[in-house]
Amino acid sequence: QVTLKESGPALVKPTQTLTLTCTFSGFSLSTSGMRVTWIRQPPGKALEWLARIDWDDDKFYSTSLKTRLTISKDTSKNQVVLTMTNMDPVDTATYYCARTQPGLQYAFDIWGQGTMVTVSS
Amino acid sequence: DIQMTQSPSSLSASVGDRVSITCRASQSISTYLSWYQQKPGKAPKLLIYAASSLQSGVPSRFSGSGSGTDFTLTISSLQPEDFATYYCQQSYSTPYSFGQGAKLEIK
Repeated sequence: QVTLKESGPALVKPTQTLTLTCTFSGFSLSTSGMRVTWIRQPPGKALEWLARIDWDDDKFYSTSLKTRLTISKDTSKNQVVLTMTNMDPVDTATYYCARTQPGLQYAFDIWGQGTMVTVSS
Repeated sequence: DIQMTQSPSSLSASVGDRVSITCRASQSISTYLSWYQQKPGKAPKLLIYAASSLQSGVPSRFSGSGSGTDFTLTISSLQPEDFATYYCQQSYSTPYSFGQGAKLEIK
């Protein structure tokens, strides 16, 4: 069974750096074609694609957020980490990680439950 | 970046109705288009990938069509559990992008 679970602080202060961890099981990110992506959703708003890391360590970022984002993986721990610097109240959102596997034309077939992050002083 | 636009943004329908939601890409994305269903407080669920392929376990009343820039999600006979928000998403080029969502409500 494939699962992903996000973890990190529920509350961060403006200007701080957010670090989120996606811990997964049931697949390996060293398998050819596997990818893990971070997506967020502000309350009552649409989904926003943030960053992606591939099995071969290729990394891709949102155009508008790329100066603030860093994505990395620890294959031995089955984890993907996202850091976002200089947090602002507009970054308040539920943050999801999701898997892409070969054969589904890069769709997100399995999602984590999400973790809510509030940015407030 | 590719922009995805859904219409309508919201719609009301009754159980048993046939409904369609459209998604338009700002440039051609071939068939690199997925549809997701999201219920309040839950993560999105994959319904359709590659524009028209039904994800395993998804009821056959859901179908997708289109290619290039114009796509459609159709629910042939609405069931009570189908009232939710639906998102399209392109995976043709990074950064991948989602539509703004279409909220399907009970009439």
